[in-house]
Amino acid sequence: AIRMTQSPSSLSASTGDRVTITCRASQGISSYLAWYQQKPGKAPKLLIYAASTLQSGVPSRFSGSGSGTDFTLTISCLQSEDFATYYCQQYYSYPYSFGQGTKLEIK
Amino acid sequence: EVQLVESGGGLVKPGGSLRLSCAASGFTFSSYSMNWVRQAPGKGLEWVSSISSSSSYIYYADSVKGRFTISRDNAKNSLYLQMNSLRAEDTAVYYCARVPSDSAGEFDYWGQGTLVTVSS
Repeated sequence: AIRMTQSPSSLSASTGDRVTITCRASQGISSYLAWYQQKPGKAPKLLIYAASTLQSGVPSRFSGSGSGTDFTLTISCLQSEDFATYYCQQYYSYPYSFGQGTKLEIK
Repeated sequence: EVQLVESGGGLVKPGGSLRLSCAASGFTFSSYSMNWVRQAPGKGLEWVSSISSSSSYIYYADSVKGRFTISRDNAKNSLYLQMNSLRAEDTAVYYCARVPSDSAGEFDYWGQGTLVTVSS
């Protein structure tokens, strides 16, 4: 099974900051990677798929990059509504797997 | 509008069974692969199971293999998860989620979730 490791596990930042979250796969997954945002008590929301393709309706301040084993999610200018937990997910092979999550908190 | 609505969660004793349902609307259900994903209280997301549009391909996480069965009824626009031999560690919110195409694996729409609590 492919293990996904996110870093950091938590992150404090301020509105307007640029933040980057990293996701590493235990083996190569090409570009079969998605990023999700989850707010407390809500279902996850798809932000990015195929490592770098923005889901329809997602603000352009979100971007993704990487391929193989190393991936990043960048939020270019944090807004108040961006404080949430972020997960990466590989869908290169079954069993699908998620990273452990990165909680983005207000500094 | 795409909608996924889970139901069937509740409190069950260890060793018991429960059947979750996910009612789909707003899209051609029979054309999409579907998945179950769960989240234990205060924990991260865990993929549980996947079923292809025609039920030809089915996959399970090792943690539920042999105990859970995924199925679908395309005539009723519904997805199911039969959960047997439940354990305390199966306690979680269970989400159904759609895969946007056969070439994809990301989950573009999610239900609101249904809570399963396994406790004596």
